[in-house]
Order: sequence, then structure tokens, then C-alpha cells
Amino acid sequence: GENVEQHPSTLSVQEGDSAVIKCTYSDSASNYFPWYKQELGKRPQLIIDIRSNVGEKKDQRIAVTLNKTAKHFSLHITETQPEDSAVYFCAASMDTGRRALTFGSGTRLQVQP
Amino acid sequence: DGGITQSPKYLFRKEGQNVTLSCEQNLNHDAMYWYRQDPGQGLRLIYYSQIVNDFQKGDIAEGYSVSREKKESFPLTVTSAQKNPTAFYLCASLAGAADTQYFGPGTRLTVL
Repeated sequence: GENVEQHPSTLSVQEGDSAVIKCTYSDSASNYFPWYKQELGKRPQLIIDIRSNVGEKKDQRIAVTLNKTAKHFSLHITETQPEDSAVYFCAASMDTGRRALTFGSGTRLQVQP
Repeated sequence: DGGITQSPKYLFRKEGQNVTLSCEQNLNHDAMYWYRQDPGQGLRLIYYSQIVNDFQKGDIAEGYSVSREKKESFPLTVTSAQKNPTAFYLCASLAGAADTQYFGPGTRLTVL
């Protein structure tokens, strides 16, 4: 089955700096890659996603890049703010079969004011 | 994701008891999923259902059971066979042609 690895497990940045979180996946059939933000005790919230026919997608301060050949994708957050502090999860799925998400292990991002 | 509800928010179970977690959605989504989250870890798939009256085991189904008698509802039973059930349980749903899964608010289960 699919396996998703995520790095780093923790990331501390100064407010205003950029943050980058990286994930790799194992199954070349995966074609949908969402990123979720989870605050303590809350449900995961989708922040951005990308499909395999696109190399990059941007939404204000957040961007995701995808390298299908290398089977890795990354989340980029620019101009970080204290409210960006949370746990971020990458995930992968296919648009056929069970279509369930396989999650990475998470990155705890701490933005220092 | 506001269209998915889970209850209760907190649940305490004594060893040897079965407990049932509720998940309801009013989004008219076909597929529903149950995930388990342990502290400091990602979510893992327990069971999923793509249509009414059909469901499949996920990656960690042992000790759990589900039913899908109605499109809106996908309850999860944690049986006494699940040896380490303390975790945060999240239900999600997915529209037929879409990719995005929407999550419920979760149930935190603690075994006493």
C-alpha cells in the first residue's frame, strides 16, 4: 500500500520567515495530495491540495509543489504569523478504489513572535 | 465540514465494554471513512464505505466494526477485542466525483 513520509517532525521559525515541509510518497498511482492543518484537539482542516497533473499551486501565503518523478511534494508558507502555529499533515490518495487518504506523521510548526 | 457531526465529543470506556461512536453527515456524500489518530501521529484508516450497505476494512480494522444502513450515517463500534482503543477518532466523507475529504469534529475515547 501507499506510504507517506513527512519531514521535519518539528519546525520553529521566526514570525515573517518562510516555512517548508516536505513529503515523499511510494505509490506512483497516487494522484491527489492535500495538506491539512490541525490545531490541538480539533479536526484537520484542508488548507491546500494539488493533483498530479499540476506542478505547483498557490493560495495567498501558501503554496504546494509536486515532483511526480521524484514522488515528493512540499508545502511552503511565506510571511509566517503566530496563528500559523499548528500541526500540518500531508496526505496522498488515488481517485480510484478506496480513495482513502494516507497521511504523513505530521509537522509541528511553531512561529515565534 | 460543518455538515459532519460526531458524538459524543468525549467517551470513556471500561475494559471489556463495547462502545459505539456516531457519525452523521448531511452533505449527501456517498463515501464515508473512519480514521484513528494517536498522539503525535498521523491518521490511520479503520474502515470505509463507498455506498449504503457496503463497507471495507482499512489498514487497522481489527477490533472495530461498522454498519452503513443509511447514506447519512456510519457508526463505528469499538469492541473489547481492540486492545488499545484510547485515541482520537475522526469520521470523514467524500462526494462522488470530488477529491476533498471533510472531517467531523472527532470523538476522544479513553479507556479507564
